[in-house]
Amino acid sequence: GENVEQHPSTLSVQEGDSAVIKCTYSDSASNYFPWYKQELGKRPQLIIDIRSNVGEKKDQRIAVTLNKTAKHFSLHITETQPEDSAVYFCAASIGGNKLVFGAGTILRVKS
Amino acid sequence: NAGVMQNPRHLVRRRGQEARLRCSPMKGHSHVYWYRQLPEEGLKFMVYLQKENIIDESGMPKERFSAEFPKEGPSILRIQQVVRGDSAAYFCASSGNRGPNAEAFFGQGTRLTVV
Repeated sequence: GENVEQHPSTLSVQEGDSAVIKCTYSDSASNYFPWYKQELGKRPQLIIDIRSNVGEKKDQRIAVTLNKTAKHFSLHITETQPEDSAVYFCAASIGGNKLVFGAGTILRVKS
Repeated sequence: NAGVMQNPRHLVRRRGQEARLRCSPMKGHSHVYWYRQLPEEGLKFMVYLQKENIIDESGMPKERFSAEFPKEGPSILRIQQVVRGDSAAYFCASSGNRGPNAEAFFGQGTRLTVV
């Protein structure tokens, strides 16, 4: 199959806390895993990505981990801020022909 | 670099009319993808094209929908005889030489409303 499962569908955290979003994929040949942030009414924007030859990647408050054996990858946001509130999508390259997206996680950061 | 450009931003069509959505990829990008997003839902893959070639159209409805990416000019997503269920945001993305295994950048989308 060509599935990317994403959890949770909604996530509320207090400002300053961490947020973790998890995704699993089905195609063992997938080797590219980007994360996108989409604010209301706007385009999805790439925030971080990871390739299969790396287990973890970090960019300031954002990090992504990849477990190829288990076929899952996660987004970690530390010290969350109100401007982090948005919908986050994971994706995986499938069959070398396309990016398949998860269903999205609505993140709400409460101040 | 102007980024991925889509037009129009908003398009209203009556049932039965045709909708044409345009996408100009980022400069230097030869891979284009079209996605559909229903309100409060995720991004559904429709089609992947390279210049003059359709690589993967597994997400395209069998009827009324077509896409092209000619040698010159933008990629076009065409929807014939639109129905209310076609109302959605249609996003185009482009990437460079590595295709789906490289960073893909999205346009601002075309919001199609069928009345």
